[in-house]
Amino acid sequence: RKEVEQDPGPFNVPEGATVAFNCTYSNSASQSFFWYRQDCRKEPKLLMSVYSSGNEDGRFTAQLNRASQYISLLIRDSKLSDSATYLCAVYQAGTALIFGKGTTLSVSS
Amino acid sequence: DAEITQSPRHKITETGRQVTLACHQTWNHNNMFWYRQDLGHGLRLIHYSYGVHDTNKGEVSDGYSVSRSNTEDLPLTLESAASSQTSVYFCASGQSYEQYFGPGTRLTVT
Repeated sequence: RKEVEQDPGPFNVPEGATVAFNCTYSNSASQSFFWYRQDCRKEPKLLMSVYSSGNEDGRFTAQLNRASQYISLLIRDSKLSDSATYLCAVYQAGTALIFGKGTTLSVSS
Repeated sequence: DAEITQSPRHKITETGRQVTLACHQTWNHNNMFWYRQDLGHGLRLIHYSYGVHDTNKGEVSDGYSVSRSNTEDLPLTLESAASSQTSVYFCASGQSYEQYFGPGTRLTVT
């Protein structure tokens, strides 16, 4: 089982739709969790940290479920500019961030 | 503004040559990382450093080395480049758990 797994998609949604991505992780000792956004051929950029209480930043909501070992990202009112690949990342003590392979989102008009 | 830079941005080299990719950050972050990204594999950790003179192997460290002589720089060396090392290489830095990435180096080994 991979350490961090994501559904690769692609997720194809119309503008204005709500879309959710899940990411599962295998190491129960994982400490910190993040969502990154990556545009084609560019570097990943930090989108959100994920806190156990859940956190929201505008149209984006991230949640952590430690019992089931997954994190989620919800995007409301999708925009064309949200089209990108979304990477989840999990920090494991003593190492570094371990990334999932990413989920591709395509928002169409 | 503080930033993280990588050079060169594109590099073509021949099999067997030694190649060094530069990474420089001006945030004064203690932690620095090297990843490679390939289709079907995502981002994979090569080496990382938690401070000057500290280096650690990641998931795919064979054929690569790093050294950390100051806070700002973590150069990545391919000792003898192989075609399997054709990839996009990202450097990242951070002070705690978060990481911030450089623009990447696209390396082609022919």
